[in-house]
Amino acid sequence: DIVMTQSPDSLAVSLGERATINCKSSQSLISNNKNFLAWFQQKPGQPPNLLIYWASTRESGVPDRFSGSGSGTDFTLTISSLQAEDVAVYYCQQYYGSPITFGQGTRLEIK
Amino acid sequence: EVQVVESGGGLVQPGGSLRLSCAVSGSAFESYFMTWVRQAPGKGLEWVAVINPEENEKYYADSVKGRFTISRDNAKKSVYLQMDSLRVEDTAVFYCATGTKGWIFDWWGQGTLVTVSS
Repeated sequence: DIVMTQSPDSLAVSLGERATINCKSSQSLISNNKNFLAWFQQKPGQPPNLLIYWASTRESGVPDRFSGSGSGTDFTLTISSLQAEDVAVYYCQQYYGSPITFGQGTRLEIK
Repeated sequence: EVQVVESGGGLVQPGGSLRLSCAVSGSAFESYFMTWVRQAPGKGLEWVAVINPEENEKYYADSVKGRFTISRDNAKKSVYLQMDSLRVEDTAVFYCATGTKGWIFDWWGQGTLVTVSS
């Protein structure tokens, strides 16, 4: 199974500042020049919301302050200017193969 | 926009069975991959199962293999999760999600709570 490890487990960032969440996979997620990696945001009491797929493609309707980067086994989700509504838990997920696996989650709070 | 609505959750005793349903709006359901993901209270996300549009490819997490069965009815735009031999550790909110671009899970329901307890 591919193990997804996120860092840090929790993060506090001031409003307007940059937030960075890392995700490392136990094996490469590249196939056909694509990285099979997605990022989700989950707010309390709500289902997950797809933010990014193919490691860097923003889902329709997602604000452009959210961006994804990385390749192979190391990936990053960046929020360029933190807004109050971005408080949530963020998950990376690989869909390279079965079993599909998620990272443990990173809790993002306002400092 | 696609809407996803789960139903069928509830309280069941250990060893019991439950069948979850997921209804999807949208005219292209027959082309969607469909998945179930669960979240135990206060815990992270755990993928459970996925089914392809033709229903001839199904994959399961090891934790549910042999106990859970995913299926779909394209005419009814619905996907199901038959859960047998339920265990206390299966207690979770179960989410249904569409994969309109393969295994990229883009539209999610609000979830249905399954509680396994005596």
